[in-house]
Amino acid sequence: AQSVTQLDSQVPVFEEAPVELRCNYSSSVSVYLFWYVQYPNQGLQLLLKYLSGSTLVKGINGFEAEFNKSQTSFHLRKPSVHISDTAEYFCAVSLSGNTGKLIFGQGTTLQVKP
Amino acid sequence: DAGVIQSPRHEVTEMGQEVTLRCKPISGHNSLFWYRQTMMRGLELLIYFNNNVPIDDSGMPEDRFSAKMPNASFSTLKIQPSEPRDSAVYFCASRSNTQGGNQPQHFGDGTRLSIL
Repeated sequence: AQSVTQLDSQVPVFEEAPVELRCNYSSSVSVYLFWYVQYPNQGLQLLLKYLSGSTLVKGINGFEAEFNKSQTSFHLRKPSVHISDTAEYFCAVSLSGNTGKLIFGQGTTLQVKP
Repeated sequence: DAGVIQSPRHEVTEMGQEVTLRCKPISGHNSLFWYRQTMMRGLELLIYFNNNVPIDDSGMPEDRFSAKMPNASFSTLKIQPSEPRDSAVYFCASRSNTQGGNQPQHFGDGTRLSIL
């Protein structure tokens, strides 16, 4: 069975500092990987996705993630965060079949402080 | 383009009442998902449809919950009778599966349900 683990439930960071949100997955088959962001009182919004090819994926709002197959990780990074990046971030995997069903991690709350 | 539209945005009702949540997926999307989000349990998939047909309802908590998709542009999630432990934010998401599993899901803004 597939699973996703987000290693940190909360990540506090000062504005303009770099940040890394960690995500590990387990799967015996090929997967697609996604990061979503949820702002307060809103639904989830796609940040970026890894399907194949280059292991470094760039997304919206200056975020990027690196797929590491040997470590089964897909960590999210941003070199300099803003107050507006304060939100909850979800890592998710989808099997490479056609169901589109996502397995979500537990979420990481990013708290950007001035 | 219009995104996934959910209604109502907020619902407060008393225990025992029937609750109906509504979702309009993005036009052209042929998969629809219902999720529940709580502090304790996080984001849970309740049920999903492909081409209006329920594919996996293993996440539906119990018989009090039911979901329908009568056509490609509308789905409902019904709770009858409702209980306080059903209080949560319910999300609907849709996606296109014409290119396989690599298409992302698009989420609505959710319905915040409070059962008193």
